[in-house]
Amino acid sequence: QSVLTQPASVSGSPGQSITISCTGTSSDVGGYNYVSWYQHHPGKAPKLIIFEGNKRPSGVSSRFSGSKSGNTASLTISGLQAEDEADYYCCSYGGSATRYVFGTGTKVSVL
Amino acid sequence: EVQLVESGGGLVKPGGSLRLSCAASGFTFSSYTMTWVRQAPGKGLEWVSCITSRSRDIYYADSVKGRFTVSRDNAKNSLYLQMNSLRLEDTAVYYCARDLGTGTTFGYWGLGTLVSVSS
Repeated sequence: QSVLTQPASVSGSPGQSITISCTGTSSDVGGYNYVSWYQHHPGKAPKLIIFEGNKRPSGVSSRFSGSKSGNTASLTISGLQAEDEADYYCCSYGGSATRYVFGTGTKVSVL
Repeated sequence: EVQLVESGGGLVKPGGSLRLSCAASGFTFSSYTMTWVRQAPGKGLEWVSCITSRSRDIYYADSVKGRFTVSRDNAKNSLYLQMNSLRLEDTAVYYCARDLGTGTTFGYWGLGTLVSVSS
């Protein structure tokens, strides 16, 4: 199974906005509105922050937003905070054969 | 509060077997699809397997098909992953996750259990 392509790292200063891209194909990201994003602090449980492309679960800060254009989904973190420093993964439903495919992961650093 | 606690990880030789468990609490376990996701050391997340609420539908990643078997016991609020013919590349932290309720999203995760395959 293929993986979705994310930048290895993205950094920003406190208060800035950053965007993480997640590129797949028409068989996954482009074919369904089922992209989710997860924040993972090493040693902790991954946390869902965006689902179905642009929806936020209850309790997740409005500083996190998602979007999609064609085969590329994006996660934007606005008003960057020190606590946002973590690994971020996108995931897309890939149909009945593939089921789910994760992105390669992006390490976010707050300068 | 949703809680998922994985157990059963450990050190095993190539070709060996291991059975992981995930104890669930804080929600009606029998109503949700459950999933196993793993993360190899220094690598990203990889979807492994999922099982629907009444075990009607079961899916596996190609990398584990034929070697791993997912199951659940709704009476015991538990999810399992039987891993046979283990390979070096199966070394990873294994997480169990509960569907958010949408059918396509991993809404809640456990802390994971480490499986090390080494001779």
